[in-house]
Amino acid sequence: DGGITQSPKYLFRKEGQNVTLSCEQNLNHDAMYWYRQDPGQGLRLIYYSQIVNDFQKGDIAEGYSVSREKKESFPLTVTSAQKNPTAFYLCASSSAGGQPQHFGDGTRLSIL
Amino acid sequence: QKEVEQNSGPLSVPEGAIASLNCTYSDRGSQSFFWYRQYSGKSPELIMFIYSNGDKEDGRFTAQLNKASQYVSLLIRDSQPSDSATYLCAALNYVDKIIFGKGTRLHILP
Repeated sequence: DGGITQSPKYLFRKEGQNVTLSCEQNLNHDAMYWYRQDPGQGLRLIYYSQIVNDFQKGDIAEGYSVSREKKESFPLTVTSAQKNPTAFYLCASSSAGGQPQHFGDGTRLSIL
Repeated sequence: QKEVEQNSGPLSVPEGAIASLNCTYSDRGSQSFFWYRQYSGKSPELIMFIYSNGDKEDGRFTAQLNKASQYVSLLIRDSQPSDSATYLCAALNYVDKIIFGKGTRLHILP
């Protein structure tokens, strides 16, 4: 089955720790995205990548980093510089040319 | 600042009635429009997309687009309790920049 796989489903971060959220897709999509969603809030774009080895900051990139070494994979690292990381993180992908984004099941990150 | 505006709700609709969800967008360069359904604690799921002015029907769902008024709507006929969710409207422009609204909470009353 084609889709987007995010792991883990739940993640806990200690103070001062970096954590990495995984996102893998087998849809052969060129573009991949990371969003953050806080309770009762909309989606806020963290980073996006339209092609391998290239990515751009979204609206709230501070405290986060990404890489895009393979078309299928777009991991997000939440660094210790992100002071309020507790949120629901969503990865999405799309093909180019006006096509919709499809989402993974999300990772819920909490602070210990 | 390009925006997509939605009434946050909750919108309460009796079971079996038509639910009407509305959205306006500010970017006149928007070309494609999407409706996502998001159940509490889950990720958004694409339910409809529309590119041209007019109506597009898919089962119980109808998307309506009026580019002159910068207005998109989603009608859900014969509303079911399982339709209770938050509905996100999104607009995509010609450089593939997508903007999501904050969503409308829909509650179908049994």
